[in-house]
Amino acid sequence: AQSVTQLGSHVSVSEGALVLLRCNYSSSVPPYLFWYVQYPNQGLQLLLKYTSAATLVKGINGFEAEFKKSETSFHLTKPSAHMSDAAEYFCAVSELAGTASKLTFGTGTRLQVTL
Amino acid sequence: DTEVTQTPKHLVMGMTNKKSLKCEQHMGHRAMYWYKQKAKKPPELMFVYSYEKLSINESVPSRFSPECPNSSLLNLHLHALQPEDSALYLCASSQEIAGGIYEQYFGPGTRLTVT
Repeated sequence: AQSVTQLGSHVSVSEGALVLLRCNYSSSVPPYLFWYVQYPNQGLQLLLKYTSAATLVKGINGFEAEFKKSETSFHLTKPSAHMSDAAEYFCAVSELAGTASKLTFGTGTRLQVTL
Repeated sequence: DTEVTQTPKHLVMGMTNKKSLKCEQHMGHRAMYWYKQKAKKPPELMFVYSYEKLSINESVPSRFSPECPNSSLLNLHLHALQPEDSALYLCASSQEIAGGIYEQYFGPGTRLTVT
């Protein structure tokens, strides 16, 4: 079965600093990977996805992620943090399930942005 | 219309009550999902419907009963719940974006409290 591991349950950065949220995957086949963001008391919003078309993936709100097969990683980055980025971030791997998919989520990383 | 809607936003119910959660999407997606999310945890898949048929049940207790009346609607019927069932219940729908790759869109969730 495929899985993802998020290192660091809590990350704190200053406003304007680089954001780096780590995700490593385990998969015997090329994985399909997603990053979602969840603001308090809300659902999940898709930030970006890797579907093997390009290793550097750009998403919404200035986030991007790079797929590195040699490191089995798909880390999320943003050059300059904004207060509005404070949220919970989930990395997920998708498996085909008939004519649908199964998402397996990492444990999540809470991003705190300080002044 | 690119959203998944869920009603109600909040629900408080006693252990002997019967209630239902509703989810709706008008994006033409043919797969819909129910997830359960406890505080500070990632979402856990409960059920998957594909083309209005139940395709995955992740060993969910029978006090949770899903229903898909048509391709746009998904219900979750609740009966004789326990306090530990209190959680955020998320609905999602998905579309195929490439061969075998599905992108899931989430609703805002229903916050359920069982007293």
